[in-house]
Amino acid sequence: GIQVEQSPPDLILQEGANSTLRCNFSDSVNNLQWFHQNPWGQLINLFYIPSGTKQNGRLSATTVATERYSLLYISSSQTTDSGVYFCAVVIYGQNFVFGPGTRLSVLP
Amino acid sequence: ETGVTQTPRHLVMGMTNKKSLKCEQHLGHNAMYWYKQSAKKPLELMFVYNFKEQTENNSVPSRFSPECPNSSHLFLHLHTLQPEDSALYLCASSQEVQNNYGYTFGSGTRLTVV
Repeated sequence: GIQVEQSPPDLILQEGANSTLRCNFSDSVNNLQWFHQNPWGQLINLFYIPSGTKQNGRLSATTVATERYSLLYISSSQTTDSGVYFCAVVIYGQNFVFGPGTRLSVLP
Repeated sequence: ETGVTQTPRHLVMGMTNKKSLKCEQHLGHNAMYWYKQSAKKPLELMFVYNFKEQTENNSVPSRFSPECPNSSHLFLHLHTLQPEDSALYLCASSQEVQNNYGYTFGSGTRLTVV
């Protein structure tokens, strides 16, 4: 089946810093989504981005489907950005395959 | 709230107990999912329901028994669990299995088996 890798596995930032999280996947996909899991376990859908670039406030994401990767950018990070960021991909008709996640800690 | 509500939020149960987890969605979705998230492991898909019919069971032990009485409600019945079953159990829903747009998770039930 499709493999999903994320890097880095862990990231520690000072508040106000910028960061880039990467997701690589091993096959063509029909859908890619980024999720944020907060420290209380809640998973929030950040972006639905099978290709192209989207922005939402301090967050933006880019997927280059032909090269099988996606990037999540976090600018001017805040302590509330802490948690685990998951990339999940799906091939049409199948279920999501989640990556292992990047654990982000933003220090005040 | 995301539109997907899970109860209880926390559950401690003995290995001989029987308990149930509940998930309810108010989004008009037709697909519902159970996931297990153990410490330091990726999310594991357990069961998938599409229009109330189970479409996927990822080799889950029979001590976990799902029930989907309608498209808005999903249960996970638990009996004779093991300590390694302690984990965060997440419910999710989407428009349909073939349409992942609008994929929404609940807040999860943190289960501890003692």
